[in-house]
Amino acid sequence: AQSVTQLDSQVPVFEEAPVELRCNYSSSVSVYLFWYVQYPNQGLQLLLKYLSGSTLVKGINGFEAEFNKSQTSFHLRKPSVHISDTAEYFCAVMRGYGGATNKLIFGTGTLLAVQP
Amino acid sequence: GAGVSQSPRYKVAKRGQDVALRCDPISGHVSLFWYQQALGQGPEFLTYFQNEAQLDKSGLPSDRFFAERPEGSVSTLKIQRTQQEDSAVYLCASSRGLAPENTQFFGPGTRLTVL
Repeated sequence: AQSVTQLDSQVPVFEEAPVELRCNYSSSVSVYLFWYVQYPNQGLQLLLKYLSGSTLVKGINGFEAEFNKSQTSFHLRKPSVHISDTAEYFCAVMRGYGGATNKLIFGTGTLLAVQP
Repeated sequence: GAGVSQSPRYKVAKRGQDVALRCDPISGHVSLFWYQQALGQGPEFLTYFQNEAQLDKSGLPSDRFFAERPEGSVSTLKIQRTQQEDSAVYLCASSRGLAPENTQFFGPGTRLTVL
């Protein structure tokens, strides 16, 4: 079975500083990987996804993530954060075998708290 | 509409009451998912529809949970005889199709509180 681990429940960072949110997954089969962001009282919004090809994926709002198969990681990075980036960030996996359901399996989330 | 909408946004129920939560997916999206998000947790899969067919209900926690999508568009998640452990945010997502390159777009959720 697949699982997703987000070790950091909360990451405080000062505005304009770089940030990395960690995500590790476990799966015996190939997977697709996603990062979603959830602003207060809003639905989840897709930041970026890795399906195949280049392991460095660029997303919206200046975020990027790197797929590392040997370390089973998909860490999210941004070189300079803004106050408006304060939100909950969820890493998710989808089993890459094209089965009947492409359900997302989410981690527990990381709260990015950007301070002025 | 422009996005996935859900109603009501907030629902308070007394233990033992039945509730119905509605999801309006993006027009033309054939795939529809329901997820449950407990406080402080990530969303967990409940069930999936392809058009009107419920193809996977492996995540439904008990037989008190029932979902339908009779005409392949609007979906309703019904919870019978609600319990306190049912308190959570229920998220609906829709996508163009099953392939992983089809993004799942999420609604704002319905926050259910069972007293």
